[in-house]
Amino acid sequence: KAGVTQTPRYLIKTRGQQVTLSCSPISGHRSVSWYQQTPGQGLQFLFEYFSETQRNKGNFPGRFSGRQFSNSRSEMNVSTLELGDSALYLCASSLSYRAQETQYFGPGTRLLVL
Amino acid sequence: AQKITQTQPGMFVQEKEAVTLDCTYDTSDQSYGLFWYKQPSSGEMIFLIYQGSYDEQNATEGRYSLNFQKARKSANLVISASQLGDSAMYFCAASGYSTLTFGKGTMLLVSP
Repeated sequence: KAGVTQTPRYLIKTRGQQVTLSCSPISGHRSVSWYQQTPGQGLQFLFEYFSETQRNKGNFPGRFSGRQFSNSRSEMNVSTLELGDSALYLCASSLSYRAQETQYFGPGTRLLVL
Repeated sequence: AQKITQTQPGMFVQEKEAVTLDCTYDTSDQSYGLFWYKQPSSGEMIFLIYQGSYDEQNATEGRYSLNFQKARKSANLVISASQLGDSAMYFCAASGYSTLTFGKGTMLLVSP
């Protein structure tokens, strides 16, 4: 089975721009979660989708949004980029949203905001 | 809500030796999962091992084992026979209601 894929792998944007990141989960997985990783804050949960519905959202401003499509692929969008949004954005997929389900991660998208 | 504490910012170990990475957790959930992930410099988070809160046996996956002590709320990762390729960041995580909460991580360096 193919793993979780994320595109693009690297992005450079300037302040004020917006960005869209894409995630394709493992075939058959219906839950997709997004995390932000920075040196200062570590790994932080952004949001989680299951069957096209956002089930959980982390403590991030409304500039961060996401969605999930009927084929379970997911996108996240960050509008009005700030320097502090520079981070590694990781997407993870799992079969369902049960606590015991293992989340498998993609390679991440490295975003640099100038 | 969960909280994960990894008290070792960095660990050094010689090739072929065993190493234990510490993890303590705090959760109010009755049912939860505990996970260890490895993150090489490339950035990808690689799943290593899982322990369910109701599992009585410690989980093992090849050279990885999880020393689960529920009363102490600890879930230490043991890597036997370390290899050079084991050099990476290691994260302990707990799940509750589908979100993962991660610790700060431990950087493991394996020397020849």
